[in-house]
Amino acid sequence: DQQVKQNSPSLSVQEGRISILNCDYTNSMFDYFLWYKKYPAEGPTFLISISSIKDKNEDGRFTVFLNKSAKHLSLHIVPSQPGDSAVYFCAAENQGGKLIFGQGTELSVKP
Amino acid sequence: DAGVIQSPRHEVTEMGQEVTLRCKPISGHDYLFWYRQTMMRGLELLIYFNNNVPIDDSGMPEDRFSAKMPNASFSTLKIQPSEPRDSAVYFCASSSSGVRLTQPQHFGDGTRLSIL
Repeated sequence: DQQVKQNSPSLSVQEGRISILNCDYTNSMFDYFLWYKKYPAEGPTFLISISSIKDKNEDGRFTVFLNKSAKHLSLHIVPSQPGDSAVYFCAAENQGGKLIFGQGTELSVKP
Repeated sequence: DAGVIQSPRHEVTEMGQEVTLRCKPISGHDYLFWYRQTMMRGLELLIYFNNNVPIDDSGMPEDRFSAKMPNASFSTLKIQPSEPRDSAVYFCASSSSGVRLTQPQHFGDGTRLSIL
């Protein structure tokens, strides 16, 4: 049972445009969400997080939106840059402190 | 600053052999996590430690897998005997406690394990 789902395995965007990565979850008890970015042959690196008491968190070009009623979150990158090309993982933290990861979305930003 | 250090980066061994993966967490971090990444199951948590004590090992797939953390700066994940289906990338991560139960985790670069 996949509690955190990223339904798009890949996304291609033109440089300078907006990238929107989506994530859905099933467990309403999740109260903290994170996005990680992963380059090939490296470990995931933390990008941005959001608590369930908020609906938006922004850090530079990266913004995460949370819609609790829909159990949906999204990561917006604007403007997208070629260096943003990577696999992006959505993760939810359960009340035991464990992270449940989605399957990842591979973003390709074309120059 | 040194990040999480994993060794070896690559391991190729024959079925039935014992495999030992090693991890050095970031100094001062009191949580350590072992993950496995496969195409089928994505990134899944195997076990995590707090202050060197195993807290949750419910993700460990079988008794063939074991993990230890003898001190704050070292952990091992062992597979004995290894099987081809254990082939995956294994990540170690560490974090420090804070307002959240766990702060964002810092990952090592992983060990790519191939069991022939």
